[in-house]
Amino acid sequence: AQSVTQLGSHVSVSEGALVLLRCNYSSSVPPYLFWYVQYPNQGLQLLLKYTTGATLVKGINGFEAEFKKSETSFHLTKPSAHMSDAAEYFCAVTPWGGSARQLTFGSGTQLTVLP
Amino acid sequence: NAGVTQTPKFQVLKTGQSMTLQCAQDMNHNSMYWYRQDPGMGLRLIYYSASEGTTDKGEVPNGYNVSRLNKREFSLRLESAAPSQTSVYFCASRTGTENSYEQYFGPGTRLTVT
Repeated sequence: AQSVTQLGSHVSVSEGALVLLRCNYSSSVPPYLFWYVQYPNQGLQLLLKYTTGATLVKGINGFEAEFKKSETSFHLTKPSAHMSDAAEYFCAVTPWGGSARQLTFGSGTQLTVLP
Repeated sequence: NAGVTQTPKFQVLKTGQSMTLQCAQDMNHNSMYWYRQDPGMGLRLIYYSASEGTTDKGEVPNGYNVSRLNKREFSLRLESAAPSQTSVYFCASRTGTENSYEQYFGPGTRLTVT
């Protein structure tokens, strides 16, 4: 069974500061990994994904994440926070095999950007 | 191209009432999913349909039923609503091909059961 742990349910950063949101997964086989963002009263939007290939992946809005198999981590970063980045962020995994590709989500991290 | 649409956006039910949440996608996707979102718990899978004509239980199926009406539509039914089913419900879809991984989400339905 897979599980996803997001450290820190709330993270606050100042505008222009580094954003670091942490995600660790538990799986017997490295899964495929995703970060989704949810703006208030909206659905989820895909930020980026890791499936195969380069372990540093770039997404929309200047975000990137690095898959580290040895640390079972997939942390999300952005060099300089913008007010518009305030949202809830979810890390998710899906198994490598199987046709259904169900997503297992972490509990989410609410990002606040301070002026 | 509307993507994934859900109706209604908001609903208030009394305990014991029934209702159906509707979901439709216009992306010709094969796979569709229903999730519920509760504070501090992320999203949890209720039911999914890997392809037209099939449905399977997810992590939290109790109290729900689903129907894959056709390739476009996937509905979620609460037969006898309970306060524990107060949540935000999201529908999602995926192309369903072997090398497709990301899911596309609808805007959600906020359900309150009193």
